[in-house]
Parts: sequence; structure tokens; C-alpha cells
Amino acid sequence: NAGVTQTPKFQVLKTGQSMTLQCAQDMNHNSMYWYRQDPGMGLRLIYYSASEGTTDKGEVPNGYNVSRLNKREFSLRLESAAPSQTSVYFCATEVGGLRDGYTFGSGTRLTVV
Amino acid sequence: AQRVTQPEKLLSVFKGAPVELKCNYSYSGSPELFWYVQYSRQRLQLLLRHISRESIKGFTADLNKGETSFHLKKPFAQEEDSAMYYCALSGRGSSNTGKLIFGQGTTLQVKP
Repeated sequence: NAGVTQTPKFQVLKTGQSMTLQCAQDMNHNSMYWYRQDPGMGLRLIYYSASEGTTDKGEVPNGYNVSRLNKREFSLRLESAAPSQTSVYFCATEVGGLRDGYTFGSGTRLTVV
Repeated sequence: AQRVTQPEKLLSVFKGAPVELKCNYSYSGSPELFWYVQYSRQRLQLLLRHISRESIKGFTADLNKGETSFHLKKPFAQEEDSAMYYCALSGRGSSNTGKLIFGQGTTLQVKP
């Protein structure tokens, strides 16, 4: 039982390049989230998906797109990476109702040069 | 606006000393508060939530609605408590999605 799996763990991009961060869960959770973690800023919500087939913007969606491919997978895409997107990205899931809180992935450390 | 504030970036204490990590929130409705912990090179994990009123690893947190606070406390710090701690608030909207709003985080350093 892997829980929440994020790939890749590390990535270096050049400004303007694109990439997709993958998140997959085997917990049968309904809701999935993408956060970015920056020093002094805490975790900020980028996008979320309350259920398969739905996605919504969070606090900092600019420069990102998401896809909820199915119940298991929720990907985050950077179409044209910028240095301001250098961050650690976390995927999180929850069964619904927040009764067990979030389950987090191990994170993707992205550097844009 | 919903907001979570953790006023201390770094809290440094000696082993055996009491610990209090501060968390204040702003929320117009009935809040749901959490503490998450991130040990070095590990993923974030739920430490406790106010609804359960439990003690995990010796930590407790009481929701004070009058002071809009949810401070995390431990009477005797251990070196293994050294980690980043995040306070989080449930920002439930009309969609009833359990979005969490996180504070800035406090690094707890427990010195031997």
C-alpha cells in the first residue's frame, strides 16, 4: 500500500520549459490537492479536485494547469516554467470530510534556472 | 478572510524544557484546526486535530475560540521533536471541499 506517490522527486528545468508533476494514490480518496511549499510562506494551495472529473483553482493557480485523469491520478503541469516556480510541490489526498486529515506525498523539489 | 498565523519562524529550546508553538487563526465560521509535522526529509503527517482532543507524542492543543488560537504544547521537549510544524485551518466553502489553509510553519529545534 504505497499511499500517495509523487514523481519525479527532483527536477531542474530551464526557464520556458514545460513539465508535468505526477501524483497517484491507492487509498480510494475522493479529494486531491496540489500545494507548493516555500520558506516563510508555508504551504499554499495551487489547485484541487474534489472528485473525479472536477478541478478548481486554489490560492496560487497562475502558471499551472491540472488534470484529474481518474480517481487515482492528479497531475500538475507547468506550461512555461519560471524561476518563481522554484519550490517544493506536495500532492495530498483526503477521503472526504477531513475526518482523517490529509495524506501527503513525499514531494517534488523543482528548480527553475 | 481565512488566515492562519504562526508568529515564530524558529523556536529553540533545550531538551526537557516546555514547548509552546503558537497558532492564531482568522475564520468567521466554526473552525476545524489541525497540526501537521514534517521531520527532516520526510513527508508531512498529521499530528493532531482539535476535534479528537487527543494527545499525540505528548503534544496537546486546545482550541480557544475567544482568543482564536490553537497553540501546540508539550511539557518536556525531546530531541526527536525537532521538526517543522504547521498549523492548518479547514476552509470549507459551499462545495464542502476540505481545503486546508496552512500557516507559515515553525521550526522547532530541541538542543541536547
